[in-house]
Amino acid sequence: AIRMTQSPSSLSASTGDRVTITCRASQGISSYLAWYQQKPGKAPKLLIYAASTLQSGVPSRFSGSGSGTDFTLTISCLQSEDFATYYCQQYYSYPQTFGQGTKVEIK
Amino acid sequence: EVQLLESGGGLVQPGGSLRLSCAASGFTFSSYAMSWVRQAPGKGLEWVSAISGSGGSTYYADSVKGRFTISRDNSKNTLYLQMNSLRAEDTAVYYCAKPGTVTTPGGFDLWGRGTLVTVSS
Repeated sequence: AIRMTQSPSSLSASTGDRVTITCRASQGISSYLAWYQQKPGKAPKLLIYAASTLQSGVPSRFSGSGSGTDFTLTISCLQSEDFATYYCQQYYSYPQTFGQGTKVEIK
Repeated sequence: EVQLLESGGGLVQPGGSLRLSCAASGFTFSSYAMSWVRQAPGKGLEWVSAISGSGGSTYYADSVKGRFTISRDNSKNTLYLQMNSLRAEDTAVYYCAKPGTVTTPGGFDLWGRGTLVTVSS
């Protein structure tokens, strides 16, 4: 199975900060990568698919980049509603796999 | 309305069985591969299983292979997960999920609210 490793596991940031989360695949996955945001007690929400395509309705402060094995999710100007846990997911091959998550907390 | 609604969760003893259902509405169900994803309490997301739109191909995580069976009834717009030989480590909220396109199996743009499965004596 392809292993997805996110870093950092958690971070503290302030409103207005630029935040970057990275995701590394154990083997190449082309651009078959998605990013999700999850808040406590809620289902995950799709932010980015195909590594860099913004899902409809998602604010433009979210962006994704990368291909192959190294990927990045960037939040350009952190808002209060962005404090949550973020997951990457590869869907290049089965079994599909998620990263372990990155919790973005208020500094 | 476009939605997924899971049901069938509950408390079951170790070694027991449970069948989850996911009722889909608002989209052409048979066109999409569908997946089950779970989340143990306080833990991250784990992909569990997927099935092609026709039902002819199925896929499983190693952790459930041989114990869980995914199926679908396109005439009823319903996805199922039959879970046998349940273990404590299967305790989780189980979500069904739909990919954003008919051509890719991931990038889930629609999730259900989840159903809680608790395996305990």
